[in-house]
Amino acid sequence: NAGVMQNPRHLVRRRGQEARLRCSPMKGHSHVYWYRQLPEEGLKFMVYLQKENIIDESGMPKERFSAEFPKEGPSILRIQQVVRGDSAAYFCASSRTSSGANVLTFGAGSRLTVL
Amino acid sequence: GENVEQHPSTLSVQEGDSAVIKCTYSDSASNYFPWYKQELGKRPQLIIDIRSNVGEKKDQRIAVTLNKTAKHFSLHITETQPEDSAVYFCAASPLSGAGSYQLTFGKGTKLSVIP
Repeated sequence: NAGVMQNPRHLVRRRGQEARLRCSPMKGHSHVYWYRQLPEEGLKFMVYLQKENIIDESGMPKERFSAEFPKEGPSILRIQQVVRGDSAAYFCASSRTSSGANVLTFGAGSRLTVL
Repeated sequence: GENVEQHPSTLSVQEGDSAVIKCTYSDSASNYFPWYKQELGKRPQLIIDIRSNVGEKKDQRIAVTLNKTAKHFSLHITETQPEDSAVYFCAASPLSGAGSYQLTFGKGTKLSVIP
């Protein structure tokens, strides 16, 4: 059973471009969580999604950031018009239900560098 | 919301010595406390966790203690080895109910084990 899969592992964008990060949860998992890790910092919760629903996006910046988890395919975190401050590692985790959500297994992360 | 403070930010120990990392939290509703180890450029990996009905938990050279009254918990690593060198993060969340899917992380402790 493959773990949480994230791609791309590394992404370089220039200011003003768009970044799309993808997360495929573990098999049988329908709950996905995105966390952001700024350099030299801990992880910070961004958004929690179930299939076709955003449950909690309280940690996500109101502008330029969006997330989705369609019925088919991976969850996508989209950052429009990237700025240098968006440079970070973005980690995704998944769970089968929400009750065990805090026991998180993370994917390998997507490292975004904004030039 | 929850706030987790972690100390020290860096820690150097001689191989074979013990290392202790301490965290405090603010929300009395938190009752799940995991510790993650992150090697350079890798994903955070869960190494041990403790729930509020337990005061101490041990797994080989790693132990975690919890003091709910004082709202602090600690990670203890005995007989440290060079491969223990990494950044360690503590985190807190409720086990169920509101916010149970959100882990709040400390800022991390960079542990260096000197051979």
